[in-house]
Amino acid sequence: ETGVTQTPRHLVMGMTNKKSLKCEQHLGHNAMYWYKQSAKKPLELMFVYNFKEQTENNSVPSRFSPECPNSSHLFLHLHTLQPEDSALYLCASSVREVGEETQYFGPGTRLLVL
Amino acid sequence: GNSVTQMEGPVTLSEEAFLTINCTYTATGYPSLFWYVQYPGEGLQLLLKATKADDKGSNKGFEATYRKETTSFHLEKGSVQVSDSAVYFCALSDGTGANNLFFGTGTRLTVIP
Repeated sequence: ETGVTQTPRHLVMGMTNKKSLKCEQHLGHNAMYWYKQSAKKPLELMFVYNFKEQTENNSVPSRFSPECPNSSHLFLHLHTLQPEDSALYLCASSVREVGEETQYFGPGTRLLVL
Repeated sequence: GNSVTQMEGPVTLSEEAFLTINCTYTATGYPSLFWYVQYPGEGLQLLLKATKADDKGSNKGFEATYRKETTSFHLEKGSVQVSDSAVYFCALSDGTGANNLFFGTGTRLTVIP
């Protein structure tokens, strides 16, 4: 049990669909992250939220829209995706302070865009 | 800038063989270094970490030593098991409190009986 849960675990969607990924952390952390993991590429940091405020957006296309209603929940809203967006989407959380950089990951959502 | 380079895989070993996965880094400031492991169908799990030069992280028989002079953090295990088959990621955090992690591309390890 990592303390970070993600739903759904698998998702298949068409390019015109709208769907949302959910992440929840039970660790009392104050920072949450979305990563994209594609084959043969390093993990790509997408978004960072610190105390519910977005602090990083690494040039992510607008078809990905994050939402962080509180420090325990993080969503990634998806619309009009492309087949190249198929990947494993990982959520992580951490305590955001110097000396406490460890991030704890959820199991991921495997997304396939048709 | 900050970056991590780790050895390309895949790596295939027989059970009880010695494992080394090389990792070197480039960083500004004073990074912390990490090894994460990803088992099939799962997310990343922290395997071990070291926060300053000459520190040794260890867990489940795996070890890595933070070498500032060679900017390296190589992962080692004396005797691998089939259950160690996974993808291993080296990572660094820039130590500024921003907590951003920079990952290598991952090394897939397969251990055969």
